[in-house]
Amino acid sequence: DAGVIQSPRHEVTEMGQEVTLRCKPISGHNSLFWYRQTMMRGLELLIYFNNNVPIDDSGMPEDRFSAKMPNASFSTLKIQPSEPRDSAVYFCASTEPKNTEAFFGQGTRLTVV
Amino acid sequence: ILNVEQSPQSLHVQEGDSTNFTCSFPSSNFYALHWYRWETAKSPEALFVMTLNGDEKKKGRISATLNTKEGYSYLYIKGSQPEDSATYLCASSNSNSGYALNFGKGTSLLVTP
Repeated sequence: DAGVIQSPRHEVTEMGQEVTLRCKPISGHNSLFWYRQTMMRGLELLIYFNNNVPIDDSGMPEDRFSAKMPNASFSTLKIQPSEPRDSAVYFCASTEPKNTEAFFGQGTRLTVV
Repeated sequence: ILNVEQSPQSLHVQEGDSTNFTCSFPSSNFYALHWYRWETAKSPEALFVMTLNGDEKKKGRISATLNTKEGYSYLYIKGSQPEDSATYLCASSNSNSGYALNFGKGTSLLVTP
């Protein structure tokens, strides 16, 4: 397996634009996490899916953020409209049921100017 | 979302020194405690996953202990080497939050020759 795959690796966009981040989890993993990493807050959990169903989205900053998992092999995190304070590295991770180790993607570095 | 605390925030030691970090986590409805190693420009990689009170795990010069009753875990590095320089993340999960992994902000370790 190629591991967790995220795209794009880097994204630079203007304030107000829509941004979509993509994640392909490891085949057979049924849990998927989206995290945001910043200097101030470290690695924050944004949302967590189990069997494609969102379990906990209390970490999603505000209504501008949304996440979907239409099937077991794909998830998106969308920011609309984007703002400069959204600039961060966004990580996706997947695990087998009930917390064996999490495998992380390479992250998407988002810069909103 | 659970509050996972790690200390110290950063640590600078000389090659050959032994060191340890602390992770504290909410002990109610505890399910698992994870340690990850995160090198700059890479993704976090799992070191240990522990679930039982009193668990001790070891991988080479790195070991970890777990106390679920009081809610803490220690990570030890014996005879630190420059290649141990990284950020060490701790994450816990509980059964109430759907087993979502919540991370501390990490301990940044720098080992100089």
